[in-house]
Amino acid sequence: AQSVTQLDSHVSVSEGTPVLLRCNYSSSYSPSLFWYVQHPNKGLQLLLKYTSAATLVKGINGFEAEFKKSETSFHLTKPSAHMSDAAEYFCVVSLRALTFGSGTRLQVQP
Amino acid sequence: DTAVSQTPKYLVTQMGNDKSIKCEQNLGHDTMYWYKQDSKKFLKIMFSYNNKELIINETVPNRFSPKSPDKAHLNLHINSLELGDSAVYFCASSQMTGENYGYTFGSGTRLTVV
Repeated sequence: AQSVTQLDSHVSVSEGTPVLLRCNYSSSYSPSLFWYVQHPNKGLQLLLKYTSAATLVKGINGFEAEFKKSETSFHLTKPSAHMSDAAEYFCVVSLRALTFGSGTRLQVQP
Repeated sequence: DTAVSQTPKYLVTQMGNDKSIKCEQNLGHDTMYWYKQDSKKFLKIMFSYNNKELIINETVPNRFSPKSPDKAHLNLHINSLELGDSAVYFCASSQMTGENYGYTFGSGTRLTVV
């Protein structure tokens, strides 16, 4: 069975510093992986997706993620955090439907 | 021009009532889904329909019944509402089932059972 594990339930950074949100996946074959973001009281927005074309995936708002098969990881990064990045982030794997990780709440301090 | 629209956005109701949530997509997608997000933000698939046919039916109480009159609509009816049904329900659609297609989510319906 495919699943994802988000290693941190809560991450706090200062504005202008790098962001790292960690995700490990479990799959018997090369999966399709996504990162979604949910701002407070809002719906879900796709940040980026990996579908085996390139291991480094660039998304919206300066986010990117790297698929590392040897480490079974798909960590989300951003070089410089902005206050508007504060939200809940979900790592997701897809098979018949999307299977969500438990989420990481990103807090950005001024 | 909302791609996936859900109504209502908020729903407050008493225990024991029956309620419905409607979802419509104008993307021409052939697969639609219902997800439930609990108070801890955990999201889980409930149902999926492909061209009006039920293809995913996770472990959900029988009080929940999806209905898809056509491939652009997927409604969720809930009988005998319980306190534990309080959650945010998201509708989504995709072009096809499988891993390589994008999913579009509605803005969610916040259901509060009192």
